[in-house]
Amino acid sequence: KAGVTQTPRYLIKTRGQQVTLSCSPISGHRSVSWYQQTPGQGLQFLFEYFSETQRNKGNFPGRFSGRQFSNSRSEMNVSTLELGDSALYLCASNIDGTLQAYTFGSGTRLTVV
Amino acid sequence: ELKVEQNPLFLSMQEGKNYTIYCNYSTTSDRLYWYRQDPGKSLESLFVLLSNGAVKQEGRLMASLDTKARLSTLHITAAVHDLSATYFCAVDDPGDAGNMLTFGGGTRLMVKP
Repeated sequence: KAGVTQTPRYLIKTRGQQVTLSCSPISGHRSVSWYQQTPGQGLQFLFEYFSETQRNKGNFPGRFSGRQFSNSRSEMNVSTLELGDSALYLCASNIDGTLQAYTFGSGTRLTVV
Repeated sequence: ELKVEQNPLFLSMQEGKNYTIYCNYSTTSDRLYWYRQDPGKSLESLFVLLSNGAVKQEGRLMASLDTKARLSTLHITAAVHDLSATYFCAVDDPGDAGNMLTFGGGTRLMVKP
C-alpha cells in the first residue's frame, strides 16, 4: 500500500520567490492537511482540504495557500518567500470520519536564502 | 484556542529504566494521537486514543488517555537505545469541522547504553 507522497523532498529558493509543494494522499483518503515544522515554533497546522474544499485554516498569512484536486492530490503555495518560511512542510492524509491515525508524508524541506 | 503541553521537553535516560512522558491539553477532546519522529524524518504514528480510559500498548511503549483530566501519558518500560527519538502528542481540535491537529512541543528522548 503506497503511503503519502510529497514532492519535491528538498527545495532551495531565494527570498521573494514563490514555491509550490505537492502531496499525493493514500488511495481512498480524501482529507489532506498541511503542517509546518520549525525548531522554534514546532509543528503548526496550515490548512486542511476535503473534497476540493478548504475546511480549516491555521494562523498563517495569506501568502500561504493551497488547493485540492478531484483526485485528492493537494498542493500548497507560498508566495513572496521570507527567510522565516524555511521549514519542513509535512502533508498528512486521513480517511475522514473513521477516527484513524493521520498518515504523514516524508515532507518537503524548504530552505529560503 | 486549544493548547497542548508536553513534559519533559528533553529526557535522557539509561537503558533498562522506566519513564513517563506527559501530555496535557486545554479543552475537551476525545481524540489524542502519539507520534514518533526520528531526526530528519517524518512522523510515524504510534497510538490513537479515542475514549476516556483508553490504554494501548506496543512493545515497550504504553499510552493512556484521561479525558476528564485532559491528560495523556506515554510510558516507556525498560528503555532501549532504539527508542531514542522525539515523541509528539497531538489533539484533534474539537471546535472545528474537519481535521486539525494541535501538537505538543515534543519530548526528545535519548536512551544511553
